[in-house]
Amino acid sequence: QVQVQQWGAGLLNPSETLSLTCAAYGGSFSGLYRSWIRQSPGKGLEWIGEINESGSINHNPSFKSRVTMSLDTSKQQFSLKLRSVTAADTAVYYCRQAWCNAAGCSDSWGQGTLVTVSS
Amino acid sequence: DIVLTQSPGTLSLSPGERATLSCRASQTISSNHLAWYQHRPGQAPRLLIHAASIRATGIPDRFSGSGSGTDFSLTISRLEPEDFAVYYCQQYGSSPRTFGQGTKVEIK
Repeated sequence: QVQVQQWGAGLLNPSETLSLTCAAYGGSFSGLYRSWIRQSPGKGLEWIGEINESGSINHNPSFKSRVTMSLDTSKQQFSLKLRSVTAADTAVYYCRQAWCNAAGCSDSWGQGTLVTVSS
Repeated sequence: DIVLTQSPGTLSLSPGERATLSCRASQTISSNHLAWYQHRPGQAPRLLIHAASIRATGIPDRFSGSGSGTDFSLTISRLEPEDFAVYYCQQYGSSPRTFGQGTKVEIK
């Protein structure tokens, strides 16, 4: 069973860069699909972007060019950077790793990081 | 972008009852790439159903998904205490991936 752990700064000033990293432990790493999702206070889930098994990156255009995602396969880590944050970026950020194998498909999420943007 | 509309917003039921949640898409979802997630308070969400009707590994068979095209549903045959949570549908057939606004299943 893949376990996922995430870390990063939880308090930012406006205009700073949000930086989060997610690491996966255990299980098989084939057929992987990695994504970032956030939940603003009192709201639902919002898809930020994803990195597929081949390393191709797809992100939500609503974030315009503020998002950078990267993958370090040697460490089984993937990262999110969101530039020029504002109060509207205050949210719980989750990383998610999904996979399919002979047993079927499943996923594992990080524990969530509350990121607060405030001066 | 594909807009997913979930109904009802809140479902008030008792343990042992059957829950039926709806997810309607603004346009056809490619290859029925529709997933359902459960989100309990204080926990991370987890995948229940993918490809509209396939249970994720380890998910109890009281959870079932159905539908195609633009209309999908999640059914919980007999609610257990741990099933009271918020449920989201998500389409992953086109980009950007989008979520519904959620249905809260609460104890009556």
